[in-house]
Amino acid sequence: KNQVEQSPQSLIILEGKNCTLQCNYTVSPFSNLRWYKQDTGRGPVSLTIMTFSENTKSNGRYTATLDADTKQSSLHITASQLSDSASYICVVICVYGGSQGNLIFGKGTKLSVKP
Amino acid sequence: GAGVSQSPSNKVTEKGKDVELRCDPISGHTALYWYRQSLGQGLEFLIYFQGNSAPDKSGLPSDRFSAERTGGSVSTLTIQRTQQEDSAVYLCASSLELARVSPEQYFGPGTRLTVT
Repeated sequence: KNQVEQSPQSLIILEGKNCTLQCNYTVSPFSNLRWYKQDTGRGPVSLTIMTFSENTKSNGRYTATLDADTKQSSLHITASQLSDSASYICVVICVYGGSQGNLIFGKGTKLSVKP
Repeated sequence: GAGVSQSPSNKVTEKGKDVELRCDPISGHTALYWYRQSLGQGLEFLIYFQGNSAPDKSGLPSDRFSAERTGGSVSTLTIQRTQQEDSAVYLCASSLELARVSPEQYFGPGTRLTVT
């Protein structure tokens, strides 16, 4: 069964600190992996999209890694800011659509950045 | 350059009433998705459209849920005889094509449905 598991479920860090969020998946056949940021009361916004051949991709203070062999991805946030407080969702795209139109969502990690 | 819009932004309804939620995708986007997000939960896929066609409706939670898309643009999600467990945020997203060809997917702000 195609699944995406994220950890931790929630995380509290102090402003300025770094953190790493984890995503493990069992999606096959794999197409690409995305990290989304969802602010409270808003729709998710894409941070990075990584294909099978990409190991790392950065978007400002956000750096995503992908290990296609172990089926793991991480999202590293550097020098956190209060505005980073949000839910971070890992989404894996399967080549074949099935009933979900290809997208398999994790439940997200809720990050709180405190001053 | 409007993004995906959804209406209403908030809807409070009494149990047993029907509700209709609307999604306006980005112009030219052929693929449209509906998701449900309950409090503290991840996104639950409901249905997707390629053009006006929904190839698979098995993601809809019950036969009280239906969706349609007309003119390859606006989509409506209808929930009949609402129940309290239907309370959630309903999110719509659109993309140029289906995700398997890796287009970016853009989400709307969602409709928060509360069934009392």
